[in-house]
Amino acid sequence: AQSVTQLDSQVPVFEEAPVELRCNYSSSVSVYLFWYVQYPNQGLQLLLKYLSGSTLVKGINGFEAEFNKSQTSFHLRKPSVHISDTAEYFCAVSEAGGGNKLTFGTGTQLKVEL
Amino acid sequence: EAQVTQNPRYLITVTGKKLTVTCSQNMNHEYMSWYRQDPGLGLRQIYYSMNVEVTDKGDVPEGYKVSRKEKRNFPLILESPSPNQTSLYFCASSAGTSIRREQYFGPGTRLTVT
Repeated sequence: AQSVTQLDSQVPVFEEAPVELRCNYSSSVSVYLFWYVQYPNQGLQLLLKYLSGSTLVKGINGFEAEFNKSQTSFHLRKPSVHISDTAEYFCAVSEAGGGNKLTFGTGTQLKVEL
Repeated sequence: EAQVTQNPRYLITVTGKKLTVTCSQNMNHEYMSWYRQDPGLGLRQIYYSMNVEVTDKGDVPEGYKVSRKEKRNFPLILESPSPNQTSLYFCASSAGTSIRREQYFGPGTRLTVT
């Protein structure tokens, strides 16, 4: 069965600094990988996804992530964060052939400070 | 506007009093799903539906029921709520049953059972 680990529950960072949110997954088959963002009191919004092809995926709001099969990772990065990026970020995995089932990590709270 | 709506957004109830949380989407999506979000646990799938009259259990179905009589609606029913069902609930939908289709999330329903 697939699983997702987000080791960092909270990541504080100053505005305009770079940030990396870590995500590792476990699965015995091929996977699809996703990052979702949840702003306060809102639902989840898709940031980016890896389905196949290039391992570097670019998403909305200047975020990108790199799929590393050998390290089973899909870390999210942004070179310069803004106050408005303060939110909770969820990594999710779906196994090939598993339909729409998403397995989510426990989330990382990104807090951007002035 | 394409959207997933949930009602109510906030609900406080007492143990044992049956309740229904409604979910509706206006995108003609086949797939719909319910998740619960708890601190430190991320999102966990409760039930999902591949199409009208087709529903199946997710990872945490105990204490919940669903129905899919119409394509646009997917209500979540708690026949006898208990305090351990206090949580934030999200409904999601997507076109088709392939993970390649993005899942759209509703704004969430915060349920408190006393």
